[in-house]
Amino acid sequence: DIQMTQSPSTLSASLGDRVTITCRASQNIGGWLAWYQQKPGKPPKLLVYEASSLHSGVPSRFSGSGSGTEFSLIISSLQPDDFATYYCQQYKSFPLTFGGGTKVEI
Amino acid sequence: EVQVVESGGGLVQPGMSLRVSCTASGFFFEYFAMHWVRQAPGKGLEWVSGISWNSGKIDYADSVKGRFTISRDNAKKSLYLQMNSLRVEDTALYFCAVVATTSSNEVYYDYWGQGTLVTVSS
Repeated sequence: DIQMTQSPSTLSASLGDRVTITCRASQNIGGWLAWYQQKPGKPPKLLVYEASSLHSGVPSRFSGSGSGTEFSLIISSLQPDDFATYYCQQYKSFPLTFGGGTKVEI
Repeated sequence: EVQVVESGGGLVQPGMSLRVSCTASGFFFEYFAMHWVRQAPGKGLEWVSGISWNSGKIDYADSVKGRFTISRDNAKKSLYLQMNSLRVEDTALYFCAVVATTSSNEVYYDYWGQGTLVTVSS
């Protein structure tokens, strides 16, 4: 199975900050990576797919990068609506696996 | 508007069975693979099972293989998860998730339901 490791697990930030979340895969997954945002009591929302493609309707302050085993989700200027937990997910092979999550808080 | 609604969750004792369902609308259900993803209270996301558009390809996480069965009825635009021999560690919010593309290689999700809570406890 491919293990996905996110860091940090918790991130304290302020409005306007540039935030970077990292996801590391235990083996090469090419660009087969997605990022999701989840708020308490809600289902996840797709932000990025294929490592760097922004999903329709997602604000341009979000961006994804990386390939192989190292990936990043960047929020260029943190907004109030961005305080949430973020997950990466690999879809290179089954079983599909998620990272442990990164909680972005004030 | 795409809608995905889960139902059937509840409280069951260890060793018992439960079937959860997901009803979809607003898109061509019969064209897309569908998956179940769960989230234990206060924990992260765990992929459970997936089924292709025509039920020709089915996959399970090792943690549920042999106990859970996924199925779908395209005429009813519905997805099911039959859960047998339930364990305390199966306690979670079970999400129904729509695979975003019709490519079998691109399995990520653009629509999710609100989830149905399954609690396994004596």
